Amino acid sequence: DTAVSQTPKYLVTQMGNDKSIKCEQNLGHDTMYWYKQDSKKFLKIMFSYNNKELIINETVPNRFSPKSPDKAHLNLHINSLELGDSAVYFCASSQAQGADTGELFFGEGSRLTVL
Amino acid sequence: GNSVTQMEGPVTLSEEAFLTINCTYTATGYPSLFWYVQYPGEGLQLLLKATKADDKGSNKGFEATYRKETTSFHLEKGSVQVSDSAVYFCALSNFGNEKLTFGTGTRLTIIP
Repeated sequence: DTAVSQTPKYLVTQMGNDKSIKCEQNLGHDTMYWYKQDSKKFLKIMFSYNNKELIINETVPNRFSPKSPDKAHLNLHINSLELGDSAVYFCASSQAQGADTGELFFGEGSRLTVL
Repeated sequence: GNSVTQMEGPVTLSEEAFLTINCTYTATGYPSLFWYVQYPGEGLQLLLKATKADDKGSNKGFEATYRKETTSFHLEKGSVQVSDSAVYFCALSNFGNEKLTFGTGTRLTIIP
């Protein structure tokens, strides 16, 4: 039973299209995240939600719009896709906002390729 | 701002070899330090952590010591196995800020 699951795992699409990646966690965590990993493996936070409320937005273009319908789900919608959006997107969750455990639980990643 | 620098990969070792993956950091205050591991086809998972200077984190034969004087958190293992092949990420966070800052990852391959 996967703790943090994201779909799809692979996504290939054309420039200018709109796409969504979905994430669900069954750990009962309050906080969820989206991270982007570029081609050089650099992993950077994009958004963080705590109990459906946005708490971190790291200067991400507004073509990226996260949505959290409930605390177990955090979806990422991307409008007008650009070549530079090609990356692996990781969803993660943690037990408590501000907790110093540093323990995030990650999904397997969604590899987005924009042609 | 915070940053993490870890050794470039890929690293290839023979089974039972000694492993060191270097990690140094820049941060304000007194961050907590972490190593995450990503096995093929899986998400990242926490391997070990240390929350204050001179703490040693350990798990699955891996260990790392929080060295404030050298701002380092090097990962070591005395005898690696093929199953240790993965990508290893060093990371830090400041207290009250769940925003982890990751290094670029080091791909480790162990050959029999």
